[in-house]
Amino acid sequence: DVKVTQSSRYLVKRTGEKVFLECVQDMDHENMFWYRQDPGLGLRLIYFSYDVKMKEKGDIPEGYSVSREKKERFSLILESASTNQTSMYLCASSYLRGVSAYTFGSGTRLTVV
Amino acid sequence: AQSVTQLGSHVSVSEGALVLLRCNYSSSVPPYLFWYVQYPNQGLQLLLKYTTGATLVKGINGFEAEFKKSETSFHLTKPSAHMSDAAEYFCAVSDLGNQGGKLIFGQGTELSVKP
Repeated sequence: DVKVTQSSRYLVKRTGEKVFLECVQDMDHENMFWYRQDPGLGLRLIYFSYDVKMKEKGDIPEGYSVSREKKERFSLILESASTNQTSMYLCASSYLRGVSAYTFGSGTRLTVV
Repeated sequence: AQSVTQLGSHVSVSEGALVLLRCNYSSSVPPYLFWYVQYPNQGLQLLLKYTTGATLVKGINGFEAEFKKSETSFHLTKPSAHMSDAAEYFCAVSDLGNQGGKLIFGQGTELSVKP
């Protein structure tokens, strides 16, 4: 089975810090995604990538950037963390665009204080 | 554009009762449909998916869903609820047309199971 690993389950960071959330998948998937999940707002797409060194903005990219230097790794970067970025962050990957199911990581619950 | 509507943000059933979680979608081309489950503080896990072929799809944990094109629905059912089914459930749609093939998720339905 495909495994998507997020480096941290829980993180506490201070306002203004630069935060890196790491995601690694082990099945050579082309497509990777970052979502944030907040109560009552469902899943919101932040950024996605269909290939190495390629990135596209999702629905809520402001305050975030991403990096995909290797196929298996997709990093989400909070340039200057703010309290409104406290959330659950979910990484996902998929094989065929538009056809394949996504495989999700276990999530990182980030608290910015 | 594609969209997904899950009717009811919260559903409560008694243990042993039928579970019915509703999902309606809109798509201009034949859709691919998915149901996911999320337990507290975890990621989403695929329950089942419809791509082509048989419209009644069986998934894990005794769940199944039926694709009804005429009703643009993909409702999730389980004949007898267990306490362990308490979780949040997400319906999702994708196709090879709009949205670049990304999955579009519904807002989720939280299922509570009463003893």
